[in-house]
Amino acid sequence: NAGVMQNPRHLVRRRGQEARLRCSPMKGHSHVYWYRQLPEEGLKFMVYLQKENIIDESGMPKERFSAEFPKEGPSILRIQQVVRGDSAAYFCASSPQVDEKLFFGSGTQLSVL
Amino acid sequence: DQQVKQNSPSLSVQEGRISILNCDYTNSMFDYFLWYKKYPAEGPTFLISISSIKDKNEDGRFTVFLNKSAKHLSLHIVPSQPGDSAVYFCAASSQGGSEKLVFGKGTKLTVNP
Repeated sequence: NAGVMQNPRHLVRRRGQEARLRCSPMKGHSHVYWYRQLPEEGLKFMVYLQKENIIDESGMPKERFSAEFPKEGPSILRIQQVVRGDSAAYFCASSPQVDEKLFFGSGTQLSVL
Repeated sequence: DQQVKQNSPSLSVQEGRISILNCDYTNSMFDYFLWYKKYPAEGPTFLISISSIKDKNEDGRFTVFLNKSAKHLSLHIVPSQPGDSAVYFCAASSQGGSEKLVFGKGTKLTVNP
């Protein structure tokens, strides 16, 4: 049973470009969470999704960020018009039920030049 | 506004001795607490959790203590092993489960052989 898969592991973008981060949850998990870790900081909650639904996006910046978890395929975190401050490690986690522990992927390190 | 604080960025202990990692929180609505361990270039891995109705939870070498009146929890690792060297994150939730976790900044534990 493969773990949570995130790709790419490293993503380099220039200011103004778009970044797309992908996350495939563990088999049988229908709950997906995105967290962001800035340098020297803890992980910060961004968004919680179930299949085709955004349940809680209270941690998402109001502009340029969006997330989806379609019926088929991975969850996508999309950042439009990236800025240097978006440089961070983005972690995806999944769980089988909302009250169960999270399993994290290895993260995508986004670097904005 | 840091709701979960890990005031020690690093801790170094000798193999075989006890490691004690501390965590303080400010939000009295938190009712579920977790510890995650993170190795470089990997995602956090769940270690142990505790509900606010308990004051202690033990799993093998790992024990978590919760002092609600002091809004303080600690993770004890006995005996410490070199493989325990990692960054340890304290996390809390006000929703009884793993949804929307609030993380501390982490404590880097080094266990010396």
